[in-house]
Amino acid sequence: AQSVSQHNHHVILSEAASLELGCNYSYGGTVNLFWYVQYPGQHLQLLLKYFSGDPLVKGIKGFEAEFIKSKFSFNLRKPSVQWSDTAEYFCAVRDPTRGGSQGNLIFGKGTKLSVKP
Amino acid sequence: DAGVIQSPRHEVTEMGQEVTLRCKPISGHNSLFWYRQTMMRGLELLIYFNNNVPIDDSGMPEDRFSAKMPNASFSTLKIQPSEPRDSAVYFCASSLPRTALYGYTFGSGTRLTVV
Repeated sequence: AQSVSQHNHHVILSEAASLELGCNYSYGGTVNLFWYVQYPGQHLQLLLKYFSGDPLVKGIKGFEAEFIKSKFSFNLRKPSVQWSDTAEYFCAVRDPTRGGSQGNLIFGKGTKLSVKP
Repeated sequence: DAGVIQSPRHEVTEMGQEVTLRCKPISGHNSLFWYRQTMMRGLELLIYFNNNVPIDDSGMPEDRFSAKMPNASFSTLKIQPSEPRDSAVYFCASSLPRTALYGYTFGSGTRLTVV
């Protein structure tokens, strides 16, 4: 079955610093990848997704992610973070072995981002 | 669209009591998912419905947990009897048929505390 690793548990940055959050998945076939964000006390919201085409995906709020197939990675980046980016970030991958042809999303354990003003 | 609606937002109950969590998916979404979020285990998929039929319940932790989807607009997750280790935030999510393209839309969650 597919699995997702997010190696950073908690990242602390100052405003305007650049951000890169790591995400690695295990399945070697066709993958669909997602990043979700959870602001304090709120539900998960989709930031961006990759399913084919250009491996550099742009999402909302200035976030982007790069799919590198050879590294089984889908790292999230933002050139300059703001205090309002303080949240927990979850990487997810569709697992085609669960839930039939649609597959199900398997989530990483999340990375907490704290941005100091 | 009101999004995925979950109720209650918070539930505090005593050990041994029955707890029922409710979810109304987005109209037209034919897939529904229940997830549990804890500090220790992150987000875990509990069960997945497609067209009201349970497809994969391998994530349901034990027989104390059960889920139903009697129609396309309503689902419940029941814990009976509840235990303190069930304390978590339970999220419901729904999706259009092509999950891979659209991802999921999550509800606001139910924070369950079992004392």
